[in-house]
Amino acid sequence: GDSVTQMEGPVTLSEEAFLTINCTYTATGYPSLFWYVQYPGEGLQLLLKATKADDKGSNKGFEATYRKETTSFHLEKGSVQVSDSAVYFCALTMNSGGYQKVTFGTGTKLQVIP
Amino acid sequence: EPEVTQTPSHQVTQMGQEVILRCVPISNHLYFYWYRQILGQKVEFLVSFYNNEISEKSEIFDDQFSVERPDGSNFTLKIRSTKLEDSAMYFCASNRDQTLGQPQHFGDGTRLSIL
Repeated sequence: GDSVTQMEGPVTLSEEAFLTINCTYTATGYPSLFWYVQYPGEGLQLLLKATKADDKGSNKGFEATYRKETTSFHLEKGSVQVSDSAVYFCALTMNSGGYQKVTFGTGTKLQVIP
Repeated sequence: EPEVTQTPSHQVTQMGQEVILRCVPISNHLYFYWYRQILGQKVEFLVSFYNNEISEKSEIFDDQFSVERPDGSNFTLKIRSTKLEDSAMYFCASNRDQTLGQPQHFGDGTRLSIL
């Protein structure tokens, strides 16, 4: 079945450091790819998405590029802030009989220290 | 911006009791979902719902679970006889259509604790 693998956390960075969270996927066909973020005590919020190969999703300084050849969708940010501390989930959706469901990775906890 | 709202935020229930988790999806959305996240584990799909019927369900969604859209705004998840292993965070989600890349919008979740 479809699956998403993302790097183990927690990741601890100093403010203004460069962030990469690796994500790879396995899917039959061409999924849509997403990053969701979960801030402490809150629900899942869509951070960015990409729907086809070579698409780049971006939001709030975060970016991820849909790489079909490596089946990857790595999340990057050039300069993290303390407010970016959260759990980040890589996810995909596939149309399954006309209906979609989200398949999530395990989540990567990011802690940014001043 | 419209939001998916879930109530209660935290539910504590004795094992064997019935529990109903409530969700109000975004008003113009037609597709509804429940997911759960056991502490420290990944978010898992439970069920999707469209046009007043279940469109897909996972292996987790056994006969103890049911979903209902009792009126034009609420979407509920019922667990008939709760077990300790049902303790988890339950997320409701909705989206407008099944267009490629249409994201699902999630609520803040209900933390269910079974004693």
